[in-house]
Amino acid sequence: DTTVKQNPRYKLARVGKPVNLICSQTMNHDTMYWYQKKPNQAPKLLLFYYDKILNREADTFEKFQSSRPNNSFCSLYIGSAGLEYSAMYLCASSRPGLGGRAEQFFGPGTRLTVL
Amino acid sequence: GEQVEQLPSILRVQEGSSASINCSYEDSASNYFPWYKQEPGENPKLIIDIRSNMERKQIQELIVLLDKKAKRFSLHITDTQPGDSAMYFCAAHTGYQNFYFGKGTSLTVIP
Repeated sequence: DTTVKQNPRYKLARVGKPVNLICSQTMNHDTMYWYQKKPNQAPKLLLFYYDKILNREADTFEKFQSSRPNNSFCSLYIGSAGLEYSAMYLCASSRPGLGGRAEQFFGPGTRLTVL
Repeated sequence: GEQVEQLPSILRVQEGSSASINCSYEDSASNYFPWYKQEPGENPKLIIDIRSNMERKQIQELIVLLDKKAKRFSLHITDTQPGDSAMYFCAAHTGYQNFYFGKGTSLTVIP
């Protein structure tokens, strides 16, 4: 199974409320990523887990949390959603390939709308 | 982080002609450059990639070129078909885990 699964596919949240998005893969990939995608913008890397080590981008450090309880699961947590968090959230996973190639597999995304 | 610029943002071509998308990057440490195709309602899927030790790679109608000196890479789709209509993203991979994407190109192939 070479799929990355995301739940839920659509999420409606109120301003100020927490949001928790889930991603899973059964490919035994060591790295899992979360991207934020807004219309007409590039997917923006928010954070990634390499094994159990969390790496967060400097400009999103305080806005997003994540946990990876095991190799297969990774969550993205927003403590207090703001209107600016409305976006598509893409999860991806990868492992090192031949010659250093690290192919990413993407999930279908979770569309978050904050009202 | 790395900045990846992708142009054009919108591209319309006649069926059977070629389509070209250009990307540039800033970090000379970038060593892997994948291209993704995203169709409506679908997740991005890898279609072709190139590593920094190559200048050209072709898979069927897809050609990617890499100019490390200029920090540019490009995707060329020859003999385009309506099924090639989609959003295309380039990305630069800096080191083992970090991927940075361009803003995407919306390609429409006109029958």
